[in-house]
Amino acid sequence: DGGITQSPKYLFRKEGQNVTLSCEQNLNHDAMYWYRQDPGQGLRLIYYSQIVNDFQKGDIAEGYSVSREKKESFPLTVTSAQKNPTAFYLCASRFQGTDTQYFGPGTRLTVL
Amino acid sequence: QQQVKQSPQSLIVQKGGISIINCAYENTAFDYFPWYQQFPGKGPALLIAIRPDVSEKKEGRFTISFNKSAKQFSLHIMDSQPGDSATYFCAAGGTDSWGKLQFGAGTQVVVTP
Repeated sequence: DGGITQSPKYLFRKEGQNVTLSCEQNLNHDAMYWYRQDPGQGLRLIYYSQIVNDFQKGDIAEGYSVSREKKESFPLTVTSAQKNPTAFYLCASRFQGTDTQYFGPGTRLTVL
Repeated sequence: QQQVKQSPQSLIVQKGGISIINCAYENTAFDYFPWYQQFPGKGPALLIAIRPDVSEKKEGRFTISFNKSAKQFSLHIMDSQPGDSATYFCAAGGTDSWGKLQFGAGTQVVVTP
C-alpha cells in the first residue's frame, strides 16, 4: 500500500519536553514538507527538503528541527523553544518535476 | 502576512445548490493554483488545480475560474452534496519555489440535506 504515514496520530507531552513526529513515505518522492495547521489559519510551512541531507526553513521554523537521512523519512522535532506547540501537524511529499503535494493523515500534538 | 486571502470563512448551502469560494493573491510569480479538500481529522487531498494559461478548468462538479489580471481565482461546487461538507483550502505556488505552497485560511462548507 503506497502512501504517507505519520505517527503517532495523537501525542500528548508536558511543557518543556522535546517531541519527535514521524513521517514516512514509500512513494519514492524526492521532496518532503512539514506544515502546521491551526484553526482559522490554514497551513503554514515549517521546513522542507528537496533531497537527502538537505533541508530549508519555511515560514515558521523557529522552535522546530528536522533531519533527512533517508529519502523515505523526514522526522520533525518540536523543541521546548516552540512557544505554542499545540497544533495539527501535516507532512507532505512531492515527486520532483510535478506539482502535486500529497499529504499524510496528520499528528495532533497537545502540550499540557 | 498572508500571501493568499480566502473568503468566505464558512458557508452553508442546501443540497443541490452552488458553493463558491474565492481567493486572491499578490505575488505575480505564482503560477500554480491548487484547491485541497480536508475532512475533520484527516490530511488535505488535492481536488483540482489550474495554471494561469487557462481561465477555467472543470472536473466533474468542481470548477476553477481564474482571473490573471485581477489576481483572483475561485472554486465552484455545482450540485452540492452532503458528502461535500468539508474544509476547502486554496493555495498558490511558483515553479521556482521548490514546490512550496502558500495556503489560504480555509473555508468550512456545510451542505444541508
